[in-house]
Amino acid sequence: EDQVTQSPEALRLQEGESSSLNCSYTVSGLRGLFWYRQDPGKGPEFLFTLYSAGEEKEKERLKATLTKKESFLHITAPKPEDSATYLCAVQALSGGYQKVTFGTGTKLQVIP
Amino acid sequence: NAGVTQTPKFQVLKTGQSMTLQCAQDMNHEYMSWYRQDPGMGLRLIHYSVGAGITDQGEVPNGYNVSRSTTEDFPLRLLSAAPSQTSVYFCASRSRSDRGPSGNTIYFGEGSWLTVV
Repeated sequence: EDQVTQSPEALRLQEGESSSLNCSYTVSGLRGLFWYRQDPGKGPEFLFTLYSAGEEKEKERLKATLTKKESFLHITAPKPEDSATYLCAVQALSGGYQKVTFGTGTKLQVIP
Repeated sequence: NAGVTQTPKFQVLKTGQSMTLQCAQDMNHEYMSWYRQDPGMGLRLIHYSVGAGITDQGEVPNGYNVSRSTTEDFPLRLLSAAPSQTSVYFCASRSRSDRGPSGNTIYFGEGSWLTVV
């Protein structure tokens, strides 16, 4: 069974204090690893897709990396507007359908 | 371009009542799905569809029914609401093709908050 574990559950940072969020996964036949951002009362918003170990993608203050067992979302010099819950998900082929399994998320709070 | 549209945003039901959550997408996506999100549980797949006329069960299908008569619409029906179905429901869609800049990207609606009393 595919599993996705995110840590920490919650993270509180001072503005400008860089840190990383972790996503550990167990999946048979990874087709893609996704990072989403979710604001309170909203649906998840797509950030990145990573397909193979060693791949990296960047967007503003965010950088996602992927190994064979985990992914990191690095946040450099965060701002209060980066406060949100960050979700990780893995996609794998299951019975002809590309099943997506989500983690429970890391709730990030950036304090001015 | 509206993306994925869900209605209603909020709903309160009494135990035993039935209702339908509506979902429509305007991106011509083949795949559509319904998730529920509960504290500490993450997003869990209820039902999904790979095209008009084709639906299948996800991880937590009991108590829910779906149909897909058109590419655009994918309604979720609660047959006899129970307090355990109190949750936030998200409809999502994506293209069948995993090629291109948006390949594999799942697009979510804004969510429907359902309370069953």
